[in-house]
Amino acid sequence: QVQLVESGGGVVQPGRSLRLSCEASGFTLGAYGMHWVRQAPGKGLEWVAVIYYDGNKIYYADSVKGRFTISRDTSRNMLYLDMNSLRAEDTAVYYCAKDPGSGSYYRFEYWGQGTLVTVSS
Amino acid sequence: DIQMTQSPSSLSASVGDRVTVTCRASQSITTYLNWYQQRPGKAPKLLIYAAFNLQSGVPSRFSGSGSGTDFTLTISNLQPEDFATYYCQQNKNSPYTFGQGTKLEIK
Repeated sequence: QVQLVESGGGVVQPGRSLRLSCEASGFTLGAYGMHWVRQAPGKGLEWVAVIYYDGNKIYYADSVKGRFTISRDTSRNMLYLDMNSLRAEDTAVYYCAKDPGSGSYYRFEYWGQGTLVTVSS
Repeated sequence: DIQMTQSPSSLSASVGDRVTVTCRASQSITTYLNWYQQRPGKAPKLLIYAAFNLQSGVPSRFSGSGSGTDFTLTISNLQPEDFATYYCQQNKNSPYTFGQGTKLEIK
């Protein structure tokens, strides 16, 4: 069965960096698109980034463009989110989520349990 | 950006009731509309995709309808595990926005 397990969250100072990881199992990472979606404490959901099945198409929300980088290692079935120049407004639970297809559906059929990132001095 | 507006923001109901949640898009999204359920402290779960298609494994008491700008999620015969927050999401255009959520509480 599909399983997604995020890690790497924690408390970080504004302006610093953090890398989130998502270990995927139960499917072949290289055959599906993958997303990051975040949720600020007590708030709604915000799509953050997508990497298509072949790794050749990558898109970001404007709020993180130029600061965050999505990547993957298909040999290890791992998805990553590198977050630089972090701001207080990046504080959220970050979920990795599987697309039902190549990445172009932009719907999230499986989710991890989430990892909390807190940006605070 | 396409704005997604849900109503009501919160809703009280009893086990066995039938409830409806509405989602309105700021422009036409045809049927590029998905519904998610989120229980407290848990990740969201996909319920309905493309406006009216039931995700595999989701009970048939959940149903979706609508097209264009107006959509509804209906839950029939409410069960205790259905008390949660529900979100709509459009996947027509980037950014792929969500509604603000509707919290379904036990009366």
